[in-house]
Amino acid sequence: EVQLLESGGGLVQPGGSLRLSCAASGFTFSGYAMNWVRQAPGKGLDWVSSISDSTYYADSVKGRFTVSRDNSKSTLFLQMNSLRAEDTAVYYCAKSPYGGYLGGGFDIWGQGTMVTVSS
Amino acid sequence: QSALTQPASVSGSPGQSITISCTGTSSDVGGHKFVSWYQQHPGNAPTLMIYEVSKRPSGVSNRFSGSKSDNTASLTISGLQAEDEADYYCSSYTSGSTYVFGSGTKVTVL
Repeated sequence: EVQLLESGGGLVQPGGSLRLSCAASGFTFSGYAMNWVRQAPGKGLDWVSSISDSTYYADSVKGRFTVSRDNSKSTLFLQMNSLRAEDTAVYYCAKSPYGGYLGGGFDIWGQGTMVTVSS
Repeated sequence: QSALTQPASVSGSPGQSITISCTGTSSDVGGHKFVSWYQQHPGNAPTLMIYEVSKRPSGVSNRFSGSKSDNTASLTISGLQAEDEADYYCSSYTSGSTYVFGSGTKVTVL
């Protein structure tokens, strides 16, 4: 069964840092582009970042967030620095369906991890 | 990148058909075939319902169908059922190699 399991969320003060992880299983992780999508409480979905051969970021997180992956451990990461109150959200990792290529959307989602930025 | 425009809510009676629109620009929805739709029940992660404008993943009911005309994509749910009550989001790949989501539509089954 294809599964994604996020971890690393929690409460952090404004200006702080947090590193999210997403453990993948049930598919050849190295063969697929991966993504992060977030959802603020009571709000809609918001694309954050994608990683294929290159990395891509939403303007709202560019320069503060860094996406990376460890294919040997089938794990996706999101390093979040200079966190702001508006970064408070559930963060989902999601798999791309088209192998290493972007564009196909998100066919498998994890259950999400909550990040709260507050003093 | 501004969010794609969706109606805030759509409702219908069991058995009826409803359509949710998703309006973007030539840089996203109108620019290529990579438009997808997601269903999200409260407290759950989203689920892919439609990809590449009109394709259904295996396991998704054929009551769900997608289409696109110019800068507007649409999701139609036919034979509306109680279990279809959820939030629905469209998403498009963009010319800038990013993604943009719609504002979301709450579907209510009367």
